[in-house]
Amino acid sequence: AQSVAQPEDQVNVAEGNPLTVKCTYSVSGNPYLFWYVQYPNRGLQFLLKYITGDNLVKGSYGFEAEFNKSQTSFHLKKPSALVSDSALYFCAVRDGGGATNKLIFGTGTLLAVQP
Amino acid sequence: DGGITQSPKYLFRKEGQNVTLSCEQNLNHDAMYWYRQDPGQGLRLIYYSQIVNDFQKGDIAEGYSVSREKKESFPLTVTSAQKNPTAFYLCASAPGGLNTEAFFGQGTRLTVV
Repeated sequence: AQSVAQPEDQVNVAEGNPLTVKCTYSVSGNPYLFWYVQYPNRGLQFLLKYITGDNLVKGSYGFEAEFNKSQTSFHLKKPSALVSDSALYFCAVRDGGGATNKLIFGTGTLLAVQP
Repeated sequence: DGGITQSPKYLFRKEGQNVTLSCEQNLNHDAMYWYRQDPGQGLRLIYYSQIVNDFQKGDIAEGYSVSREKKESFPLTVTSAQKNPTAFYLCASAPGGLNTEAFFGQGTRLTVV
């Protein structure tokens, strides 16, 4: 069965510093990986996705993510954090080896950027 | 405007009552999803539908039911069998391919009183 793990409940970073939010996954086939952001009491907004090709994916608001097949990871990164980046971040996966387009999310990581 | 609309935004239910959450999309998407969000547990999949008149159970389907009679609509009923229904419910839709991102509604907060 497909699954995704976000090992950190919260990540704290100072404004201007680089940030990383971690995600690992488990699928039977090729992974289709996604990052979303959620602001309080709102729905999720799509940031970026990995389908195939270049392991470094660039997305919205200066975010990027690095796909690592050997480590089954898809970590979200940003070179310089902003206070406005503070939000809840979710990693999600679809299993390319599955028979459905079931989309599974991790437990989320709260990013807190201090001024 | 194209998008996905959930209603109502807030819903209160008495114990023992069934309640239906609405989800409508005008994006012409084939796939639709319902998730439940609780603090510290992330998004858990309740039901999903890949096409009209078809749906599959997710990881926490017990106490919930859905229908997909129209492409644009995927209502979720929270039945009295759901023992702890107080949560934030999110609906999403996607074009249907494995490589397509899902689009989310703004959510419905259900509270049992």
